[in-house]
Amino acid sequence: SQQGEEDPQALSIQEGENATMNCSYKTSINNLQWYRQNSGRGLVHLILIRSNEREKHSGRLRVTLDTSKKSSSLLITASRAADTASYFCATDWSGGGADGLTFGKGTHLIIQP
Amino acid sequence: EPEVTQTPSHQVTQMGQEVILRCVPISNHLYFYWYRQILGQKVEFLVSFYNNEISEKSEIFDDQFSVERPDGSNFTLKIRSTKLEDSAMYFCASRGISYGYTFGSGTRLTVV
Repeated sequence: SQQGEEDPQALSIQEGENATMNCSYKTSINNLQWYRQNSGRGLVHLILIRSNEREKHSGRLRVTLDTSKKSSSLLITASRAADTASYFCATDWSGGGADGLTFGKGTHLIIQP
Repeated sequence: EPEVTQTPSHQVTQMGQEVILRCVPISNHLYFYWYRQILGQKVEFLVSFYNNEISEKSEIFDDQFSVERPDGSNFTLKIRSTKLEDSAMYFCASRGISYGYTFGSGTRLTVV
């Protein structure tokens, strides 16, 4: 089965620094998605990268995908206190079918003001 | 921006009772999902629903669980006889023709 695993499990940095989180998975995918979750709240879709893409940007977010290594990274530049949250990668192997996403355990990011 | 709405936000129930968690997906979406997240653990896929029937379900989604889309707008998850280990955050999600999902804010279910 698909499995996304993020590292580090927890990351604490100073405001203004860049935060990098990594995700590894085990089988072929159609796309990989990153989600954010504030404590006790719902999941917010951040960005999606397709298996034929290598890099994608959205505002302060940069996602890379290396299908040969089955890994992805999420970079948040110029971090802000409001970026404090848990970040999850999720893999979608079915590519638009009804099958669900497989989530990793997440990285808990703390931005120190 | 369109939202997925879930009610209630928090439900406490006695073990063995039936609960129904409700969701209103985005109106023009085609695919509907339930996920759950036990405290401190991964978000886990439960079931997907398309064209008025279950498309896929995980091992977690046993006979105690059922889903319905009774009226074309609501999407419900029923747990027939709750157990302590059903305590979790339950998320509804919907998706249109694109691959990105929209999740609701979740229902926190506490079984006592």
